[in-house]
Amino acid sequence: DAGVIQSPRHEVTEMGQEVTLRCKLISGHNSLFWYRQTMMRGLELLIYFNNNVPIDDSGMPEDRFSAKMPNASFSTLKIQPSEPRDSAVYFCASSQTGERETQYFGPGTRLLVL
Amino acid sequence: GEDVEQSLFLSVREGDSSVINCTYTDSSSTYLYWYKQEPGAGLQLLTYIFSNMDMKQDQRLTVLLNKKDKHLSLRIADTQTGDSAIYFCAERGAAGRRALTFGSGTRLQVQP
Repeated sequence: DAGVIQSPRHEVTEMGQEVTLRCKLISGHNSLFWYRQTMMRGLELLIYFNNNVPIDDSGMPEDRFSAKMPNASFSTLKIQPSEPRDSAVYFCASSQTGERETQYFGPGTRLLVL
Repeated sequence: GEDVEQSLFLSVREGDSSVINCTYTDSSSTYLYWYKQEPGAGLQLLTYIFSNMDMKQDQRLTVLLNKKDKHLSLRIADTQTGDSAIYFCAERGAAGRRALTFGSGTRLQVQP
């Protein structure tokens, strides 16, 4: 089975540009988590969805960030306009709701905003 | 809020045992996890333990949980150079809170 798929793997853009990150869940999973990893702040949850519905977006930095889940297996994280401080590795994680729920991470998108 | 802490660095010789420690503050933690991250890669789930367990063993990995002291450890027996990576401890709080809180990661360096 394919794991979590993220694209692109690397993105270099200029300040002010729009950036769209994509994630495909593991087949059969119903929850998706977006995390951001930086040297200064480590791994932080940005937002998570359950059955396509955003449940907790308290980690989204500001209005420049938005996330959607247009169908049960796919999500986008958009940054508009991007800023240099958004440079980080963005991870998507997939899980199936349950007591013994575990999150499986994608390979990440390494974003550099110049 | 919840906090998870780990030491930043551990160096061992190949063949020795490695012990990576983690402390957490959330007394309502239900599950605790260990993830491994190799350079340029995502997080790979290694193992997890339910909060009502003291120990879990999986091949070379042994997880010990002291719930009273809120202390979690990961022991890797017969450490190999391929075990060199960053190891993250994470906790999931009370039922209903599904996001994970991660530690800052421990970089394990295995000397040949």
